[in-house]
Amino acid sequence: AQSVTQLDSQVPVFEEAPVELRCNYSSSVSVYLFWYVQYPNQGLQLLLKYLSGSTLVKGINGFEAEFNKSQTSFHLRKPSVHISDTAEYFCAVTSPYQGAQKLVFGQGTRLTINP
Amino acid sequence: DAGVTQSPTHLIKTRGQHVTLRCSPISGHKSVSWYQQVLGQGPQFIFQYYEKEERGRGNFPDRFSARQFPNYSSELNVNALLLGDSALYLCASSWGTGSYEQYFGPGTRLTVT
Repeated sequence: AQSVTQLDSQVPVFEEAPVELRCNYSSSVSVYLFWYVQYPNQGLQLLLKYLSGSTLVKGINGFEAEFNKSQTSFHLRKPSVHISDTAEYFCAVTSPYQGAQKLVFGQGTRLTINP
Repeated sequence: DAGVTQSPTHLIKTRGQHVTLRCSPISGHKSVSWYQQVLGQGPQFIFQYYEKEERGRGNFPDRFSARQFPNYSSELNVNALLLGDSALYLCASSWGTGSYEQYFGPGTRLTVT
């Protein structure tokens, strides 16, 4: 079984500042990792994914994440945030060895951008 | 191309009633999964269906059931509604069992009173 811990429930930052949203996972088998964004009253949008290969993954809207197997982390970063980045961000994990394509999500991190 | 669509957008039900939620996947996608997102929490996996067969089930009671139709659309049914079933129900689709990218619909907001 897998689990995900998002270390910060809320992250306030100023516009144009850098941001890092932290995610740690637990799994006894190899995993695939994802970051999703949820804007108010909407569904989830895929930001980026790590399946294999380079541990630095680039996604949409200028976001990137780095897979660190030894630290079981998959932190999300953006060098300069905009007001439009205000949203809830979810880290998720799945494994190709579990049969179903079940995503296990963290509790979410609310990113608030202040002008 | 249209994304994942869900209906209805919102609905209000009374405890003990039954509800059916519907989902149409992205064209060409054969797998549909359902998730429950309670306010303030991350989504929780309920079911996955692929080619009309159940491929996985989360830790939900038997009051929850689902099915997938030949056109790959899906229904989620919940019987004997409880107040705790109030949540956003999300449907996600993917190409198939070898694809791990899931694309989510806007969700159905269910309120049980």
